[in-house]
Amino acid sequence: AQTVTQSQPEMSVQEAETVTLSCTYDTSESDYYLFWYKQPPSRQMILVIRQEAYKQQNATENRFSVNFQKAAKSFSLKISDSQLGDAAMYFCAYHLSGTYKYIFGTGTRLKVLA
Amino acid sequence: SAVISQKPSRDICQRGTSLTIQCQVDSQVTMMFWYRQQPGQSLTLIATANQGSEATYESGFVIDKFPISRPNLTFSTLTVSNMSPEDSSIYLCSDYRGTGTEAFFGQGTRLTVV
Repeated sequence: AQTVTQSQPEMSVQEAETVTLSCTYDTSESDYYLFWYKQPPSRQMILVIRQEAYKQQNATENRFSVNFQKAAKSFSLKISDSQLGDAAMYFCAYHLSGTYKYIFGTGTRLKVLA
Repeated sequence: SAVISQKPSRDICQRGTSLTIQCQVDSQVTMMFWYRQQPGQSLTLIATANQGSEATYESGFVIDKFPISRPNLTFSTLTVSNMSPEDSSIYLCSDYRGTGTEAFFGQGTRLTVV
């Protein structure tokens, strides 16, 4: 069965600095998708970034980028120029192509220090 | 981007009573999901709801406790029945729009049972 592991329960970063959140997953499949979701205190889950496993190029969305290492089954999220509004829980998620389920990691709480 | 309207946003209920949570999607979707999230924890899938058929429940969740309705492709309800303090949690609905697509989420319902 596929699993998603986030080994950092909590991280802190100074405003304007860069932080990297880790995610590893376990799968024997080759066609899948990976996501990072942000959940602020408002509870609304918001998509941060999405990566197709068949693409070697790392996805980027403004200040957010990923380091996707397929062989190592690693999918880390880098947040550059951190802002106070980035403070939230961040969840890594795995979605196997052809199925409908999303498997979420345990989450990393990010604190941004002014 | 899609919108899922979930209500109520929060409620405080007496033990032994039931609460029905509603989710309205702004477009037709194949499947909807119901999750439970303990504070500071990850998402646990309760069940998957298809229109026109009975919901599929995950291990540890039963229909008598969490009856689900899916009367059409844009709407679903989750009822938490015969509540106890252990049911205090955040409940989230989400949708599935096809392989590789992001899942959209409702705003969540924070339930407190006293």
